[in-house]
Amino acid sequence: EDQVTQSPEALRLQEGESSSLNCSYTVSGLRGLFWYRQDPGKGPEFLFTLYSAGEEKEKERLKATLTKKESFLHITAPKPEDSATYLCAVQVGESGYALNFGKGTSLLVTP
Amino acid sequence: NAGVTQTPKFRILKIGQSMTLQCAQDMNHNYMYWYRQDPGMGLKLIYYSVGAGITDKGEVPNGYNVSRSTTEDFPLRLELAAPSQTSVYFCASSYSWGRRASYNSPLHFGNGTRLTVT
Repeated sequence: EDQVTQSPEALRLQEGESSSLNCSYTVSGLRGLFWYRQDPGKGPEFLFTLYSAGEEKEKERLKATLTKKESFLHITAPKPEDSATYLCAVQVGESGYALNFGKGTSLLVTP
Repeated sequence: NAGVTQTPKFRILKIGQSMTLQCAQDMNHNYMYWYRQDPGMGLKLIYYSVGAGITDKGEVPNGYNVSRSTTEDFPLRLELAAPSQTSVYFCASSYSWGRRASYNSPLHFGNGTRLTVT
């Protein structure tokens, strides 16, 4: 069975304290790996798509990387406004519908 | 741009009642989806549609029905509501222009409908 596991479940950082979130996956035929950010009471907001091992993408303080077994979301010098739940999802089919989501990592950045 | 609009935002149902969750998108996306999100769990796919008149089951379809008569709208129908359907429901849409994964846009989500069945 295809699985997506995110760790840690929750992470508390001080402002400026860099860290990484992990997303490990066991799927056959990975077509793409997605990172989303979700704020309380809101729908997930798209951050990145990664398609192949070795690929990296950056946006402001966030950098996503992909290997054959896992993806990391690196947060450099986080600010309180980076506090949110970060979701990882894998696409296993050729069509856009087959997204398997992890349970998410809840990030709290304190001043 | 409105993006994906879901109504209502909140609803309380009694066991056995029925209701329809509305979803509309204005991005001319061909794919639409319904997910549910339970506390501490990942999003689970209920139903999806690849175009008007075409729908298919996802991972957790039991107790739900959908229809897609237009490109813009994708309502989710709950018949005979049960406490197990208490959840937050998210509608999403995307655009696909080919079979390769890189030919799919990311999913755009609405802000959800929080449903409680008591």
